[in-house]
Amino acid sequence: DAKTTQPPSMDCAEGRAANLPCNHSTISGNEYVYWYRQIHSQGPQYIIHGLKNNETNEMASLIITEDRKSSTLILPHATLRDTAVYYCIVTIMEYGNKLVFGAGTILRVKS
Amino acid sequence: DSGVTQTPKHLITATGQRVTLRCSPRSGDLSVYWYQQSLDQGLQFLIQYYNGEERAKGNILERFSAQQFPDLHSELNLSSLELGDSALYFCASSVDAGGSGSGGTDTQYFGPGTRLTVL
Repeated sequence: DAKTTQPPSMDCAEGRAANLPCNHSTISGNEYVYWYRQIHSQGPQYIIHGLKNNETNEMASLIITEDRKSSTLILPHATLRDTAVYYCIVTIMEYGNKLVFGAGTILRVKS
Repeated sequence: DSGVTQTPKHLITATGQRVTLRCSPRSGDLSVYWYQQSLDQGLQFLIQYYNGEERAKGNILERFSAQQFPDLHSELNLSSLELGDSALYFCASSVDAGGSGSGGTDTQYFGPGTRLTVL
């Protein structure tokens, strides 16, 4: 029952920005957008999250549209080590909540 | 390194057996979550514990059980194992169960996982 839609795969040239889209048209007002990635069967790695404002940290930037129905994760200078499955998750992340993972986007960074 | 540790890294056992997976949360985290990742089902939430008490349950089989101890580490017990139980099992931890204290967010940090192979 994932509430997000992501493209199954994307390619990106090394050194270029990787822009990963996510649609979450049924997001409710108190739900956050979270991004995780999983590199080759390792544990999912937290990247960034946001509610309605754009967010940036040392790993990535998150751009959320004004209507909050979609968002884009931006990796500013992709490297080969960024090749992974990227998951966009919307969640209240409150008491007793769980993360619902969809299929995610396989990002392949190529030299 | 997320700060969440899981042991063992790999486990190979036979059908019908019982195994225990262990998870130590990040220092200061009170909540522990267990997830299963199999090839055909993707990442699925199993169960959450907060400060020793069960908080939420997902699609966890009756043959599976978990607990969180006073030192906050958690164990996932899998019994009467079947071939289909072969999967990666991840533990995650977070500061608390969410709510006003975390501003409505409670980021989960995942461990490296235990790969279970049932032969």
